[in-house]
Parts: sequence; structure tokens; C-alpha cells
Amino acid sequence: KAGVTQTPRYLIKTRGQQVTLSCSPISGHRSVSWYQQTPGQGLQFLFEYFSETQRNKGNFPGRFSGRQFSNSRSEMNVSTLELGDSALYLCASSRDTSHEQFFGPGTRLTVL
Amino acid sequence: AQTVTQSQPEMSVQEAETVTLSCTYDTSESDYYLFWYKQPPSRQMILVIRQEAYKQQNATENRFSVNFQKAAKSFSLKISDSQLGDAAMYFCAYSTRDDKIIFGKGTRLHILP
Repeated sequence: KAGVTQTPRYLIKTRGQQVTLSCSPISGHRSVSWYQQTPGQGLQFLFEYFSETQRNKGNFPGRFSGRQFSNSRSEMNVSTLELGDSALYLCASSRDTSHEQFFGPGTRLTVL
Repeated sequence: AQTVTQSQPEMSVQEAETVTLSCTYDTSESDYYLFWYKQPPSRQMILVIRQEAYKQQNATENRFSVNFQKAAKSFSLKISDSQLGDAAMYFCAYSTRDDKIIFGKGTRLHILP
């Protein structure tokens, strides 16, 4: 069974731009969660989607948004990029209630 | 609010020795899940072990075992016969059913040859 995939793996943007990251979960997994990982703040939860609905949300500004498609693939969008948005963005998928999350390799976003 | 605390930012252990990583959490829930995740230098997060709060028996996965003390809200990870491949950042995490997972700040484990 293929693991969680994330594209792109690396991204360089400039301040003010917007970016879209993609995550394909493990086949059969309906829950997709997104995390931001930085050296200073550690792993911070962004949001979780389950069956195309946002089920949980972390404490991030509205510039961070996401969605989930009918095939469970998920996208995350960050608008008006700031230098502080530079981070590793991790996506994780799981079945409905087991909460055993499987992580993708991450997207390294650098904002210049 | 639920919190997860890992008080050891870094630890070192000699190869083949045993090491214990500490984790405490705060919650008012009675039904929840606890996890240890490993993140090696490749950055790929891997689930090491999982514990359901209603189970009194400590979870074990090969060389990895936990000491789950529900009353003390403690969830430590013991790695036996440490190997060079165990070098990584280890994250303790907490979750309730259908809720987000909360991660600790992590403990970086070094394995000394």
C-alpha cells in the first residue's frame, strides 16, 4: 500500500505570494491533518479534514486554509506569505476514528 | 486545555544500552490515546508505539515499551538495546477520539557508538 505523498517537496516563495500544497493520503484513509513544524514552535496543528469537512482547526490566522476532495486528497493554501511561514509542512492521514496517523515526507517551504 | 510536556530536550545513550524518555500530559478526559512518534534526520515521522488510556497493560513493540501511569499522567518510552538507527527526535503525543493530536516539543536522542 502506498504511503502518504506530498507535493511539492520543496518550495521557495517571496513575501506576499500565495502557495498551495498537496497531500494524497493512504488509500482508504478519510482523515487528513496538516501540521506546521518549525525549530522554535515545534509541531503545531493546522487543521483536520474528514470526508471533505473541516473537523478540527488549530490557532492559525485565516491566511491558512485547506480543503479536501471526494477522493480524500487534500490541499492547503497559504495566502500573503510572511517570512515566519517558512517551515516544514507535514500532512498525515488516518482512518476514521483510530487516530493512528501516518505522515508524509513533508513540504519544505522557504519564504524570502 | 490539554498539554503534553517532554522535559528532556536532548538525551544520549551508549549503543546497546537502555534509555527512557519522559512525557507528562494534562487532561480532564478519561478516554484518550497516547503516542510516541520518531522523526529521524530524513524528517519522515514514524509511529513508534500507541497506548489506549482504558488499557492498563503497557504497550510493547519489539525493543520499545512504555510505562503508562494514568493517575500520574505519565507516559515514558523505554528503548532497550539502543541501536544507531534509533537516533532521532522523539515526540510524545496525546489525542481524544475525533480530536486533534497534540504533540510535545520533542526529545532529541543521540546514540553513542
